[in-house]
Amino acid sequence: KNEVEQSPQNLTAQEGEFITINCSYSVGISALHWLQQHPGGGIVSLFMLSSGKKKHGRLIATINIQEKHSSLHITASHPRDSAVYICAALQGAQKLVFGQGTRLTINP
Amino acid sequence: GAVVSQHPSWVICKSGTSVKIECRSLDFQATTMFWYRQFPKQSLMLMATSNEGSKATYEQGVEKDKFLINHASLTLSTLTVTSAHPEDSSFYICSARGTPRGTDTQYFGPGTRLTVL
Repeated sequence: KNEVEQSPQNLTAQEGEFITINCSYSVGISALHWLQQHPGGGIVSLFMLSSGKKKHGRLIATINIQEKHSSLHITASHPRDSAVYICAALQGAQKLVFGQGTRLTINP
Repeated sequence: GAVVSQHPSWVICKSGTSVKIECRSLDFQATTMFWYRQFPKQSLMLMATSNEGSKATYEQGVEKDKFLINHASLTLSTLTVTSAHPEDSSFYICSARGTPRGTDTQYFGPGTRLTVL
């Protein structure tokens, strides 16, 4: 079992739908990252959070430390949101443990 | 926002040659830089961690003599793949950790796609 598990692995939805991607981890963490990787490969850091909830535009990330679970939500999804979304658990000061990623496809 | 750049963005080389990839933090000082490798449809795998002015710490299974890392300044780290072979073909991503605006976080470069013929 991976230390960081994401679900679903693949998600296809229609434009406008509300999207949820889940991340569960089994290790102690100091923070959790949500990353977005586009088909070209470049990675963008969306959020780093250690408690509660953060919002940026149509993206919302939440984390429940007690349950060792985080979610990434996308409201009013758009085809340009199509990408691979990766959660990464920060262990200690530096080490990131990555989930396998969720491939999101938003159809127009 | 904070930006990490990599150069080149892609490179094709012949087997046996060496390839150098640069990673720069553009508007902040990176106390620590990380090098990752990603194979198709797989997640990122940490290769090594480097702090400015000191030797890199390599992950288990990563050959330090093959993947040479130099972190000469707070804004530049280089990864040299020596005597590259086709199995070294991969997507190499660097990441830099710093405090550009008082917030300690990690920023990722756009990646370098290496193809070894």
